[in-house]
Amino acid sequence: QAVVTQEPSLTVSPGGTVTLTCGSSTGAVTSGHWPYWYQQKPGQAPRTLISDTSNKHSSTPARFSGSLLGGKAALTLSGAQPEDEAEYYCLLHYNAGRNCVFGGGTRLTVL
Amino acid sequence: EVQLVESGGGLVQPGGSLRLSCAASGFTFSNFGMTWVRQAPGKGLEWLANIKRDGTETNYVDSVKGRFTISRDNAKNSLHLQMNSLRAEDTAVYYCVGSLTWGQGTLVTVSS
Repeated sequence: QAVVTQEPSLTVSPGGTVTLTCGSSTGAVTSGHWPYWYQQKPGQAPRTLISDTSNKHSSTPARFSGSLLGGKAALTLSGAQPEDEAEYYCLLHYNAGRNCVFGGGTRLTVL
Repeated sequence: EVQLVESGGGLVQPGGSLRLSCAASGFTFSNFGMTWVRQAPGKGLEWLANIKRDGTETNYVDSVKGRFTISRDNAKNSLHLQMNSLRAEDTAVYYCVGSLTWGQGTLVTVSS
């Protein structure tokens, strides 16, 4: 079972830029892992931000973008807003989606 | 509007069974693979199982293999999760996911 790693916590200033990353114990993350990114606020169900590395959901604010960076999947938030304070999870797909693993989540604070 | 609504959660004793359902609307259900994800209290997300759009292939995380069964009824736009031999560590909110949309979740509590 692969282990997917994320930063436990990050802080960004309002209006600032932050990059969250998602690594895999099996090696470099590629587009073949179909990286997904989700946002979850306290007491709410998660919602999908990014699918397949960089595809935005219809409701995803333009300030969020997904990419591959240095062997990891990355979620970049440019121009952070107070409402972006949340937990962010990545999901990687292995063996053509037959096994999927979430990262432990990154708690993002906008302060 | 794309919508997923889970039901069937509740309190069950260790060793018991429960069947979760997820009603889909607002999209062509049969065109999408579907997934169950759970979240234990205060913990992160855990991928549990997925099923192809035609139901011909299912996959599970090791911790539920042999105990949980994912299924779907495309005629009724519904997804199910049959959970047997439940353990205390199965206590969680269970989410149905598909077409990039998440349901609101249903709470399963395994306790005597």
